[in-house]
Amino acid sequence: GENVEQHPSTLSVQEGDSAVIKCTYSDSASNYFPWYKQELGKGPQLIIDIRSNVGEKKDQRIAVTLNKTAKHFSLHITETQPEDSAVYFCAASTYDYKLSFGAGTTVTVRA
Amino acid sequence: NAGVTQTPKFQVLKTGQSMTLQCAQDMNHEYMSWYRQDPGMGLRLIHYSVGAGITDQGEVPNGYNVSRSTTEDFPLRLLSAAPSQTSVYFCASSRGMEDQGGYTFGSGTRLTVV
Repeated sequence: GENVEQHPSTLSVQEGDSAVIKCTYSDSASNYFPWYKQELGKGPQLIIDIRSNVGEKKDQRIAVTLNKTAKHFSLHITETQPEDSAVYFCAASTYDYKLSFGAGTTVTVRA
Repeated sequence: NAGVTQTPKFQVLKTGQSMTLQCAQDMNHEYMSWYRQDPGMGLRLIHYSVGAGITDQGEVPNGYNVSRSTTEDFPLRLLSAAPSQTSVYFCASSRGMEDQGGYTFGSGTRLTVV
């Protein structure tokens, strides 16, 4: 099955700086790569996703890049704000649409 | 729309007891899944369904049963609770492969087995 590794496990950044989270996947058939944000006591919420036919996608301060050859994808958050503090999960799936998640990254934005 | 509704929010069980975690969605989504979340392990797929009457096993199905008699509901049954099943359980739904619009998650059920 698919194995998704996520790094780092914790990330502390100064407000206004950028944050980068990286994930690798094992199954070359994976074609869908979503990112979820989870706030304390809540369920994960989709923040951005990318498909295998696209190399990069951007939504305001959030961007995701995908390198199919190397089988890795990354989340970039620019101009971080205190409300960006949360746990972020990457995931990957193949055509059966069963998501395999990374272990998560706890992001803390320091004021 | 309420989205994905999970009940109960908290539950304490004794070892060997059985119970059902409820999940309902009002978005007419075809795909529904159950995940468990444990510290440092992300979310792991327990069971999933691609439509009413169709279910299949995920990564960690042992000790759990599911059924999908309607599009809206996807209950998860613990047959004989064990301490290893202490976890936070999330139900999620999606429109399905054609759209791949992403999963919408419920707010979770925190289960403790003593």
